[in-house]
Amino acid sequence: DAGITQSPRYKITETGRQVTLMCHQTWSHSYMFWYRQDLGHGLRLIYYSAAADITDKGEVPDGYVVSRSKTENFPLTLESATRSQTSVYFCASSWDRGYEQYFGPGTRLTVT
Amino acid sequence: AQTVTQSQPEMSVQEAETVTLSCTYDTSESDYYLFWYKQPPSRQMILVIRQEAYKQQNATENRFSVNFQKAAKSFSLKISDSQLGDAAMYFCAYRGNKLVFGAGTILRVKS
Repeated sequence: DAGITQSPRYKITETGRQVTLMCHQTWSHSYMFWYRQDLGHGLRLIYYSAAADITDKGEVPDGYVVSRSKTENFPLTLESATRSQTSVYFCASSWDRGYEQYFGPGTRLTVT
Repeated sequence: AQTVTQSQPEMSVQEAETVTLSCTYDTSESDYYLFWYKQPPSRQMILVIRQEAYKQQNATENRFSVNFQKAAKSFSLKISDSQLGDAAMYFCAYRGNKLVFGAGTILRVKS
């Protein structure tokens, strides 16, 4: 199916475990983004990528790692999950910086 | 650093009435874009309207329009003829070198 998808949609993990959230888009958009959404903070940018093999930090990058070996995929890894990383994570993509971002459906992550 | 402020955590509007959601931002950049996104209970983020900073004309999309005051760094969203389906969280977003979202405004629509 065309669009932007995230997997898994729901994940429960334990403190200290490594978790990878997947993001896939079928539009060949140049830009991809990862956000976390927490009550009272809106959406905060974790990392973004302007193209394959080009990534940059956003507002809250600590504790997260990204890679982008292919244009269509942008996985987000929590190397050692902490309770403070319990959140809803959104992936998004856009053609260019001034264009609309298309968002995935989100992943609700709970770290126990 | 760029910041986006939505000063109204919650707003209510009667069905068919008009409501305005406020957004202010702080930046030293001259080239940027502004967006309003809607997030209904489904959590899906939906673009409502987009404004280029270099355009003086306010953007309009059907019942949605903005009042863009560049000098005042203000970007408010006006929803006319409010409908029950407009009930959602609304986010103002700034896109310059970085992308920054406001904390959001919950809009409730009363029938």
